[in-house]
Amino acid sequence: RKEVEQDPGPFNVPEGATVAFNCTYSNSASQSFFWYRQDCRKEPKLLMSVYSSGNEDGRFTAQLNRASQYISLLIRDSKLSDSATYLCVVNRGNTPLVFGKGTRLSVIA
Amino acid sequence: EPEVTQTPSHQVTQMGQEVILRCVPISNHLYFYWYRQILGQKVEFLVSFYNNEISEKSEIFDDQFSVERPDGSNFTLKIRSTKLEDSAMYFCASSEGVGGYEQYFGPGTRLTVT
Repeated sequence: RKEVEQDPGPFNVPEGATVAFNCTYSNSASQSFFWYRQDCRKEPKLLMSVYSSGNEDGRFTAQLNRASQYISLLIRDSKLSDSATYLCVVNRGNTPLVFGKGTRLSVIA
Repeated sequence: EPEVTQTPSHQVTQMGQEVILRCVPISNHLYFYWYRQILGQKVEFLVSFYNNEISEKSEIFDDQFSVERPDGSNFTLKIRSTKLEDSAMYFCASSEGVGGYEQYFGPGTRLTVT
């Protein structure tokens, strides 16, 4: 079983839509959780950390369910510039990041 | 805003040649990492470095790979004898700490081995 699993997509949505991505992780010892975005052939860029209480940054909301080992990212009012691959990332304390393969989003005008 | 920088942006080399990829981490960061991403695949951890020594490495990081911090700013990844399967994007990252600390990535070096 992969340590971090994501639906690869692609998700094709119109501008203004709300879209949600899900991610599951297999290692219950995972302690820190992040969403990164990656544009084609570019580096991963940190979008937001994910906290147990859930957190919001503008149009983006991240949630964590430790019992179900599940992380989500909600994007409201999608913009063309949101088109990218969204990477779910976890680590187990003093260990390197473990990446999911990513979910591709295309926002269409 | 401080950022991680990497050089070169693209390196083409022949199989069996040595390559050195360079990174300048964010100046107040203490932890440094190399990751790689083969085209179409996920980002994979290679090695982490703290206090002038390797703190963790993956199975990918075999004897052909080495890392060094030759001065106060640069962090390098050397591949001694490149193979075709080493062709990938190599990303350097740095963080202030470990655990919940966020890692920031450089723009990457695209390595093509022919």
